[in-house]
Amino acid sequence: DQQVKQNSPSLSVQEGRISILNCDYTNSMFDYFLWYKKYPAEGPTFLISISSIKDKNEDGRFTVFLNKSAKHLSLHIVPSQPGDSAVYFCAAIFNDYKLSFGAGTTVTVRA
Amino acid sequence: NAGVTQTPKFQVLKTGQSMTLQCAQDMNHEYMSWYRQDPGMGLRLIHYSVGAGITDQGEVPNGYNVSRSTTEDFPLRLLSAAPSQTSVYFCASSSQTPRYNEQFFGPGTRLTVL
Repeated sequence: DQQVKQNSPSLSVQEGRISILNCDYTNSMFDYFLWYKKYPAEGPTFLISISSIKDKNEDGRFTVFLNKSAKHLSLHIVPSQPGDSAVYFCAAIFNDYKLSFGAGTTVTVRA
Repeated sequence: NAGVTQTPKFQVLKTGQSMTLQCAQDMNHEYMSWYRQDPGMGLRLIHYSVGAGITDQGEVPNGYNVSRSTTEDFPLRLLSAAPSQTSVYFCASSSQTPRYNEQFFGPGTRLTVL
């Protein structure tokens, strides 16, 4: 039973517009959340993270929002660029060693 | 500095065969892990290690063995391959806990079990 869910398998957005990726989790013990980005034929790379004591974390064009009461987080990419076309994985952790990942959302940025 | 390397890149096995997926990192990281990626399932943790001589099970450990005799290497063994183990396997490492330390992933091994 997946504890981290990304219910949108794909997202298509025009270059320059905002991309919003959503993630829901069921385990209330999770207290740290991460986003990873993956290009085809490569391993995932770390993108941004947020602790449960915060509700927002920003890094350049990427912002992650956390709503603990709704057990929901989102990743905003503004503005979207062609190089952002990739698979994005949401992940969560409550101990120090076991990350749980969502199924991923494939983002396609159209020129 | 090669980062995390995995061999082989591709492998086809017959049911019942055994093999070892190799993983090595040159960053002196204590934490290493193995994931499998399946369509619609994301990445699932198979086994992890917090240092040489210390390993523990992840979410889907059945059918896989690991050992960690050195800091650099963390091989994953399939003792008797099954079609359900057809997947893409990723090895990752981080300096310590992946909670606060970026995990670096290898490029993956695509395994097909017939």
